[in-house]
Amino acid sequence: DAMVIQNPRYQVTQFGKPVTLSCSQTLNHNVMYWYQQKSSQAPKLLFHYYDKDFNNEADTPDNFQSRRPNTSFCFLDIRSPGLGDAAMYLCATSSDRGGTDTQYFGPGTRLTVL
Amino acid sequence: SQKIEQNSEALNIQEGKTATLTCNYTNYSPAYLQWYRQDPGRGPVFLLLIRENEKEKRKERLKVTFDTTLKQSLFHITASQPADSATYLCAPQDPGTYKYIFGTGTRLKVLA
Repeated sequence: DAMVIQNPRYQVTQFGKPVTLSCSQTLNHNVMYWYQQKSSQAPKLLFHYYDKDFNNEADTPDNFQSRRPNTSFCFLDIRSPGLGDAAMYLCATSSDRGGTDTQYFGPGTRLTVL
Repeated sequence: SQKIEQNSEALNIQEGKTATLTCNYTNYSPAYLQWYRQDPGRGPVFLLLIRENEKEKRKERLKVTFDTTLKQSLFHITASQPADSATYLCAPQDPGTYKYIFGTGTRLKVLA
């Protein structure tokens, strides 16, 4: 039944230790997004894939990378997590990038950096 | 740059009343605007989409208005229930980049 799945739901890492978050979808959507959301803040778009085409936001730090090996899966890599990277990471999908295309979000991964 | 403002303070209302949440945006003119619901520790869930040429959109107990002159959208929940307690995010679309930009949300608490 789940359409957008994120693993793990909770991730604890140490300062500077690389971490990978994963997202999978059963909707066969073309577009996959990664957002960062800190407490009481708006979800902030980090980047998105339109099919295989990677689109980075201008203010996304180089510390954040992403991979999309196939339609169903997308990964968020944080190369050297800092304390400021502790947040909820949300994966979302949409069929296309048109105005009427709604986004389907996963449950999120809560990242803690020690 | 685009700016979206939603009431940062929580809105408490009594069960059965109508909740009205406000979303104001500046520095752009979205053709589409979406509203999402987010429960604590969960991802947002899509509720409604409204186009710039639609003044109002309804879905069951939900109603959204879109005033492009005022640059404002209002989100109403009629006959509110405790289960409606959540944070509600508005997301106007940036027509230049097609991306939806989320507001910080308004936390609604419906008291039994």
